[in-house]
Amino acid sequence: NAGVTQTPKFQVLKTGQSMTLQCAQDMNHNSMYWYRQDPGMGLRLIYYSASEGTTDKGEVPNGYNVSRLNKREFSLRLESAAPSQTSVYFCATTTDGQSNQPQHFGDGTRLSIL
Amino acid sequence: QKEVEQNSGPLSVPEGAIASLNCTYSDRGSQSFFWYRQYSGKSPELIMSIYSNGDKEDGRFTAQLNKASQYVSLLIRDSQPSDSATYLCAVNGGGSNYKLTFGKGTLLTVNP
Repeated sequence: NAGVTQTPKFQVLKTGQSMTLQCAQDMNHNSMYWYRQDPGMGLRLIYYSASEGTTDKGEVPNGYNVSRLNKREFSLRLESAAPSQTSVYFCATTTDGQSNQPQHFGDGTRLSIL
Repeated sequence: QKEVEQNSGPLSVPEGAIASLNCTYSDRGSQSFFWYRQYSGKSPELIMSIYSNGDKEDGRFTAQLNKASQYVSLLIRDSQPSDSATYLCAVNGGGSNYKLTFGKGTLLTVNP
């Protein structure tokens, strides 16, 4: 039982390159989230998907796009990477965002953009 | 703008002491409250959930909630060096709000 799996774990990009961060869960959860974590800034929500087929912007969506491919998978895409997007990215899931249940996190993707 | 405030620390306690971590929140309609522990270079790990006023105990951890004062705390008894980590407070507004609001975390150091 893997829980929440993020790939890749580490990535270095050059400015202007694109890439997709993958998140897959085997917890049968409906709601999925993408956060970024920067020193002194805490966890900031980028996008979330309340359920399969829906996505919504969070606090810091600019420069990112998402796809809820199916119930299990939620991907985050950087179309043209910028140094300001250097961060640690976490995917999280919960049973149902309306159910007051906690979120469970993947191990993170450490992304550096040169 | 919903806010969750934590003292950034660092909070330093000797081994065996009680560590007290505090959190205040701005949204009076908040319904669920969580404490996460995050070791350096790792992901946040859920350690406590609390939904109603009062205390909730789980092993060495006690969460305390006071909705009237919009205050939630985490006590760690018999602190161990392995408890050294950043502790994140998270609050869910409930209802149609699918989102957690996180504090920036308090760094706890337990000295042997």
